[in-house]
Amino acid sequence: NAGVTQTPKFQVLKTGQSMTLQCAQDMNHEYMSWYRQDPGMGLRLIHYSVGAGITDQGEVPNGYNVSRSTTEDFPLRLLSAAPSQTSVYFCASSVTAAGANVLTFGAGSRLTVL
Amino acid sequence: SQKIEQNSEALNIQEGKTATLTCNYTNYSPAYLQWYRQDPGRGPVFLLLIRENEKEKRKERLKVTFDTTLKQSLFHITASQPADSATYLCAPDLYSSASKIIFGSGTRLSIRP
Repeated sequence: NAGVTQTPKFQVLKTGQSMTLQCAQDMNHEYMSWYRQDPGMGLRLIHYSVGAGITDQGEVPNGYNVSRSTTEDFPLRLLSAAPSQTSVYFCASSVTAAGANVLTFGAGSRLTVL
Repeated sequence: SQKIEQNSEALNIQEGKTATLTCNYTNYSPAYLQWYRQDPGRGPVFLLLIRENEKEKRKERLKVTFDTTLKQSLFHITASQPADSATYLCAPDLYSSASKIIFGSGTRLSIRP
């Protein structure tokens, strides 16, 4: 099993450009989420999904869009990139087991917006 | 609003000693709390989970406590080794079903030989 796969690993954008960070999992997990991590800020939740067709906002959703058309994929879209979106992005997935969700993370995508 | 606080400063420990990391939370009552380890340039990796009705949980050299009165979890690494150097993140969670999982800012632990 590949687990959680994120692409690309690195990306440089100019202000105003759009792009999509891809996230795929092969574990049939219902729950998927996106976090961003900035120095000293820990992980901040952007958007999450509890199943195909269902998404909701996290702590810092502004400037990002998501959709969940399949169980496997949860892409994160930046419609008009801003320098404040320079960060490392992590995708995670989980399945509820014994009443708890344990997250499996991808390796991360480092985004720089100039 | 919900708030999770971890030691903001790095923790430097001599090899062989016990490292103790703190996670405090306010304005909610989690059903369980998780601890993750993160190495530089990598995604976090799950270590331990403790439920609200459990006082203590152990896994090899790791021990986690959960005090719902103090709203605090302590994470201990006994007989620490340089390989334990990493950032450790806590994540209290409210619900038994999938929901927002929010993390503390993490504590960077360094074990010196």
